[in-house]
Amino acid sequence: GIQVEQSPPDLILQEGANSTLRCNFSDSVNNLQWFHQNPWGQLINLFYIPSGTKQNGRLSATTVATERYSLLYISSSQTTDSGVYFCAPPTWAGGTSYGKLTFGQGTILTVHP
Amino acid sequence: GAGVSQSPRYKVAKRGQDVALRCDPISGHVSLFWYQQALGQGPEFLTYFQNEAQLDKSGLPSDRFFAERPEGSVSTLKIQRTQQEDSAVYLCASSFGPDPGIQYFGAGTRLSVL
Repeated sequence: GIQVEQSPPDLILQEGANSTLRCNFSDSVNNLQWFHQNPWGQLINLFYIPSGTKQNGRLSATTVATERYSLLYISSSQTTDSGVYFCAPPTWAGGTSYGKLTFGQGTILTVHP
Repeated sequence: GAGVSQSPRYKVAKRGQDVALRCDPISGHVSLFWYQQALGQGPEFLTYFQNEAQLDKSGLPSDRFFAERPEGSVSTLKIQRTQQEDSAVYLCASSFGPDPGIQYFGAGTRLSVL
């Protein structure tokens, strides 16, 4: 199945700083989701981004499917941004019509006031 | 409902007990997924339902794990004779169609087996 690598594994920022999280994947994908897992364990959808660039407030994401990577940008970070960030492309097995998500190990982000 | 709902939020079981975890997907969502998340790891796929049909159970770790979705809505994940290695967070997700639309996750059930 597809392999997903995220970097960096840990990131510590001061409030107001910008950051870039990276997701590399081993196979071609036709979509990808970015999630934020908050300290209570809830996985929150950030982006559904097959290709190109999307923006939502202080967050934006870019997927370059042909080069097998996606980037998540966080600008002007806030303490509430702390948590774990996951990227997850779907795996298509044996011609199935659905995509079970394959998650990376995540990036643990800590934002200090 | 407004989102995916899971219950209970926390479950403590003694080794050897059977447990049942419930998932209420978003109304009208065809697809339902179960994932298992060990401490410090990303979630891993367990099983997939399209309506009431279980199309993929390749991620279930052993035959002690069983899932059902009899009416194509609520799903139950059952673990028989729980063992310590079953301790994890069990996450349910649903999406509107069978093709890979956005998956929406519940808050999970944290299972601790003593």
